[in-house]
Amino acid sequence: QQQVKQSPQSLIVQKGGISIINCAYENTAFDYFPWYQQFPGKGPALLIAIRPDVSEKKEGRFTISFNKSAKQFSLHIMDSQPGDSATYFCAASKKSYNTDKLIFGTGTRLQVFP
Amino acid sequence: DAGVTQSPTHLIKTRGQQVTLRCSPKSGHDTVSWYQQALGQGPQFIFQYYEEEERQRGNFPDRFSGHQFPNYSSELNVNALLLGDSALYLCASTRSSYEQYFGPGTRLTVT
Repeated sequence: QQQVKQSPQSLIVQKGGISIINCAYENTAFDYFPWYQQFPGKGPALLIAIRPDVSEKKEGRFTISFNKSAKQFSLHIMDSQPGDSATYFCAASKKSYNTDKLIFGTGTRLQVFP
Repeated sequence: DAGVTQSPTHLIKTRGQQVTLRCSPKSGHDTVSWYQQALGQGPQFIFQYYEEEERQRGNFPDRFSGHQFPNYSSELNVNALLLGDSALYLCASTRSSYEQYFGPGTRLTVT
């Protein structure tokens, strides 16, 4: 019930294309869904996040789409650039007595070729 | 404004030894969480500290322990190291918020 499933495991996109990464969760108590970007040898960096009261959130080239009934959410990277090449993790969290541990997906390695 | 800092950057230890990792949270943050990230995997929650107390713990053995100091900095201690403890150890901080900010991590290698 605590799992977050992420796909695909790896993704190759041409420069200027759209990268799409999908996640599914089981625990309906989750109420916060962030995406993190991680470069080799670095810690995860918060990219964008969404709460279940909205179906979409956009920040620059990054968009989260959220489907509460299907318990799925996805990250869309528009106009993908070589600098976007990194590993992306979805995560989920729930507020429970101020506890907000993150449950992470297994990650997607994105490679953007020029 | 400094973000989350961790020390040391890299560490090599032998099986059976003990290790201490350190974390300073982002300015203004009072809650520190520790995560273990094995190679090719997502981070796994170890435990969280708030007001110098362990608030919640993940599925890790008692060999993993921690501490939070009055200035909100934190330590992660691992006793009786196993080869399987080799990983990137991440510290994340927050202040009464969903948003957690991660440090660069400490790469622990157990030989």
